[in-house]
Amino acid sequence: SQKIEQNSEALNIQEGKTATLTCNYTNYSPAYLQWYRQDPGRGPVFLLLIRENEKEKRKERLKVTFDTTLKQSLFHITASQPADSATYLCALDRGATNKLIFGTGTLLAVQP
Amino acid sequence: DGGITQSPKYLFRKEGQNVTLSCEQNLNHDAMYWYRQDPGQGLRLIYYSQIVNDFQKGDIAEGYSVSREKKESFPLTVTSAQKNPTAFYLCASSIEPGRSNYGYTFGSGTRLTVV
Repeated sequence: SQKIEQNSEALNIQEGKTATLTCNYTNYSPAYLQWYRQDPGRGPVFLLLIRENEKEKRKERLKVTFDTTLKQSLFHITASQPADSATYLCALDRGATNKLIFGTGTLLAVQP
Repeated sequence: DGGITQSPKYLFRKEGQNVTLSCEQNLNHDAMYWYRQDPGQGLRLIYYSQIVNDFQKGDIAEGYSVSREKKESFPLTVTSAQKNPTAFYLCASSIEPGRSNYGYTFGSGTRLTVV
C-alpha cells in the first residue's frame, strides 16, 4: 500500500543552524510534492510545491529537494529561528484527481 | 482578504446527535476538501468536491455526509453513525494543485468533542 514516512521524533536544533527534515514514500509515483507548516491548534499553511521533473526549489530560507529515484524529499530551513518552531508536513498528490495524501509531520524545535 | 472560514472553532456533541461543521471560502476555488486529524496520524481525507453539485468519498467517508450547493460553501455533517467523531476537522480549498504553484488553503479547523 502507499505509504509516506516522516520522522516522528522531534528535531531539536540550535538557532542559526540548518534544519533538515525528511519525507520518504513507497509504492507511489507522485507528480508533485508539497510541504506545509502547522502550528498547534491551527490549519496547515502551504510553503512550497516541487514537481517530479524538478530537483530543487528555493523560497527565501527554505529549500526543498525531490529525488524520485530514492523516493525522498528533503526540506531545509537555513539560519533557523525560534519562530520556525512548528510541525512540518509533507504531502503528495494521488494523480489525476489532485487529492493529497499527508505524512504525519515532524515537530521542529529551534532553541534560542 | 480572501480565505477559508470554519465555524465553530469548538463543538461538543452528545451521543446520537448529528452536527454540521461550516466551511466557507471566498477564494473562488473550484475544489474543496474535508480532512480529519488525530494525534500521531496524518490528515485523512473524508470527502472532496471538484465542482458545485458534485462530491466524492475520500478514505474515511463512513459516518459523514457533505453537500456542495454553492461554490463558496462545503458543509460537513458528522452523523450518529460515526463511531469515533472526536477529532480536529480541517477544511481546505485549491485551484488545481497539479497545474499551479499554489497548494491547498486550509481553514483554522473545528475541534469536535463527544460528551
